Amino acid sequence: QVQLQESGPGLVKPSETLSLTCTVSGGSISGYYWSWIRQLPGKGLEWIGYIYYSGSIKYNPSLKSRLTISVDTSKNQFSLKLSSVTAADTAVYYCARIRLGGLDFDYWGQGTLVTVSS
Amino acid sequence: EIVLTQSPGTVSLSPGERATLSCRASQSISNSYLAWYQQKPGQAPRLLIYGVSSRATGIPDRFSGSGSGTDFTLTISRLEPEDFAVYYCQHYDSSLFTFGPGTKVDVK
Repeated sequence: QVQLQESGPGLVKPSETLSLTCTVSGGSISGYYWSWIRQLPGKGLEWIGYIYYSGSIKYNPSLKSRLTISVDTSKNQFSLKLSSVTAADTAVYYCARIRLGGLDFDYWGQGTLVTVSS
Repeated sequence: EIVLTQSPGTVSLSPGERATLSCRASQSISNSYLAWYQQKPGQAPRLLIYGVSSRATGIPDRFSGSGSGTDFTLTISRLEPEDFAVYYCQHYDSSLFTFGPGTKVDVK
């Protein structure tokens, strides 16, 4: 059974960089697209971006200028960096796998709350 | 960019009742990339339906999806206690994933 686990600081100061890592277990990161999705407090879901295991990337245009997503196949991990954060970036951040051959998300991490505050 | 709207925002039903949830797209979805998720408080979303009408692995057959063009429906034939949750539709187009705002199904 594939499992995803987000890790990283739960508190980030305004203007700094939010950094999260997603560790995939129970399966290989190879052959799949992997994504980051966030959920603002009490709100709906916002797609952040995805990365293929080989490194090709797509970002949400609304966040693109501040985003970096990378993959480390040797560690079965992929990562998110969001720069110049503000309080509006406070959210639960999820990592997820894009279903093979599909365009939807079949496995999700449990989510991690990141609060932007001084 | 295709915008998804969901209705109703909240629906109050009793266990055993039928739930009909709507997802409407601002433009016709021609590629059938329409999925539905269930989210319970404090949990990640769970994929229920993909490709408009295909159930994901392990999803009970009381969940069904239908629709075409701009109008899509998630139907729960008989609500079980564990089905009270928020439901989101999701689409992919032009390198962008979008989610609807969600419909909350709560207990009447």
